[in-house]
Formats: sequence, structure tokens, C-alpha cells
Amino acid sequence: DTGVSQDPRHKITKRGQNVTFRCDPISEHNRLYWYRQTLGQGPEFLTYFQNEAQLEKSRLLSDRFSAERPKGSFSTLEIQRTEQGDSAMYLCASSFPDPYEQYFGPGTRLTVT
Amino acid sequence: AQSVTQPDIHITVSEGASLELRCNYSYGATPYLFWYVQSPGQGLQLLLKYFSGDTLVQGIKGFEAEFKRSQSSFNLRKPSVHWSDAAEYFCAVMEYGNKLVFGAGTILRVKS
Repeated sequence: DTGVSQDPRHKITKRGQNVTFRCDPISEHNRLYWYRQTLGQGPEFLTYFQNEAQLEKSRLLSDRFSAERPKGSFSTLEIQRTEQGDSAMYLCASSFPDPYEQYFGPGTRLTVT
Repeated sequence: AQSVTQPDIHITVSEGASLELRCNYSYGATPYLFWYVQSPGQGLQLLLKYFSGDTLVQGIKGFEAEFKRSQSSFNLRKPSVHWSDAAEYFCAVMEYGNKLVFGAGTILRVKS
């Protein structure tokens, strides 16, 4: 069991550029979550997949954000036309079979300049 | 909407001293409550969780938490803090759909 992994760990981009993050959940975990954590705050829910189906999206997830989980394995989170307000840590978590115990990855820290 | 309040942004304790981190929640039904710890460069690690039953729950690393419905609290405690406990601690409540709602966190500093 290698845990939840995220790539890249750090990303610096210029305002207006597109970025994509990847999350690999623990093998056989069918639920996958994305959260965003800004400085001095706790993580905030963004979206949730069960297998390949995206079941819920937060209002925080503007039209510039899109998440996918093809084949119900890894997931990607894309941010188009990044803004400085997008600078944050993006956390991924997975769970199975206990949906109440989420295992978190180390996160991707995004800095938009 | 559900919310979690952690009143203390920073707490400093001496190594070997006892610790209590406060957490208050706002939730209409019986809450599912969690404490996570986050060390620099590390992901969130689950310390303990409460769903029902015994209101005193034991977790990893010697931590425990007590659910008090009358006070809407779920405070985290440890009888003797170690320097390695220095980290940020988050209290969370689970909403419908398995979404976690986190508090703003408490940064624990341990002085030797």
C-alpha cells in the first residue's frame, strides 16, 4: 500500500496559464476527493468521485476548474486561465470501503504569479 | 451549513505537559467527527474519529477526544506531549455525501 500520491508537488505558473494536477489514489479505493487549502485555513471540499462518476461539485469549483477520473483510477484537476486567487494547496484523498475514513495525499502547492 | 470552529490559532506547551485542543461544531443531526494532523510537507493524517457510542474515543499516537453533545464540542487531548507532536491539527465534521468540513486549524508548538 503506497498511499495517495500527487504530482507535481509544487507548481509555479503565470496568471492566465492552464495547469493540470494528477492524483493517484490508493489501489482499489473507489472514492476520490479533491480539496483546496489556502494559507491559514483548513481544507475546503471541491469535488468527489465514486469510481468514474463525478457525484458532487462545490460552488468553489468555478467554470475554470474541471476534474476527471477516467476509468475510475487516477484523477486530474485542471485549472484554466489561472488567477492569483487560485494559489493554494490542492489535496486529494481517497477512501474504500469505509467512506468515512479518507486518506490524504501530500498535496500540490500551486503558486500563481 | 455545517461549520467547525477551532478557537485557538496557536498553542504552545512544554514537552511532557498535557494538551487540550478545542473544537466546536455546528450540525443539526448526530455528527461524524474527526481530528487530523498535518506536519509540514505531509498530507493530513487521521488521528481519530467519532460516530456514535462511547463519547471518549482513543486514537493513534496517544491522542483521545471527548464528544460532548450538550456543548457541541469534540476536544482533543493528550496527557503528555512529545516534541514530535508539533504540527497543525484540524477538527472536521462529515457532511452528507462524505464531504469533510474542516476548522481553520490549531498550530501546536512544543517547547523543550
